[in-house]
Amino acid sequence: DARVTQTPRDKVTEMGQEVTMRCQPILGHNTVFWYRQTMKQGLELLAYFRNRAPLDDSGMPKDRFSAEMPDATLATLKIQPSEPRDSAVYFCASGLGGGDTEAFFGQGTRLTVV
Amino acid sequence: QKEVEQNSGPLSVPEGAIASLNCTYSDRGSQSFFWYRQYSGKSPELIMSIYSNGDKEDGRFTAQLNKASQYVSLLIRDSQPSDSATYLCAVPRTGKLIFGQGTTLQVKP
Repeated sequence: DARVTQTPRDKVTEMGQEVTMRCQPILGHNTVFWYRQTMKQGLELLAYFRNRAPLDDSGMPKDRFSAEMPDATLATLKIQPSEPRDSAVYFCASGLGGGDTEAFFGQGTRLTVV
Repeated sequence: QKEVEQNSGPLSVPEGAIASLNCTYSDRGSQSFFWYRQYSGKSPELIMSIYSNGDKEDGRFTAQLNKASQYVSLLIRDSQPSDSATYLCAVPRTGKLIFGQGTTLQVKP
């Protein structure tokens, strides 16, 4: 069953706490994207990796967000410290190719920071 | 100008009608174009890809691409209530997949 798997599905945390979101891309896919979706901003690209190397993280607030890909089967997005404005749905998507190909989305992590 | 622009809608059509969704993009060098469907509370799902000028048909869906005018559209024939969702246009740029804001489609029985 080829699909992108994200954990956790839902996360409620208090302001100031660290949040870690995980993503397992489709086996064999070499590109991983992290997106954030809110009603106001729509789907915003936070960061993406190709062949595990970070290519662009210009969409992330650098002081509190970090994205890593420790191996080909795991991508992580961390927020430390979390703030209420970080409340959103975070999607991971993976794709295969050099940059002009489609991406397939995981089910998302709904983050609520109170 | 946004890189990928869509009318947010909602676009309301009666059941059985043709729904027409439009998207414009700013980068003349774009070569690939994708349509995603997102049901409320769910993740985006790829439904159409188009790479060359003209039409591409898949069942009730037709994607139309006009590179000279920098627009891509999605037609849904015989619209069904189950087609009610947000439709997102996506265009790759320098390796990044950029999405429009999406158009919400409502198909009324």
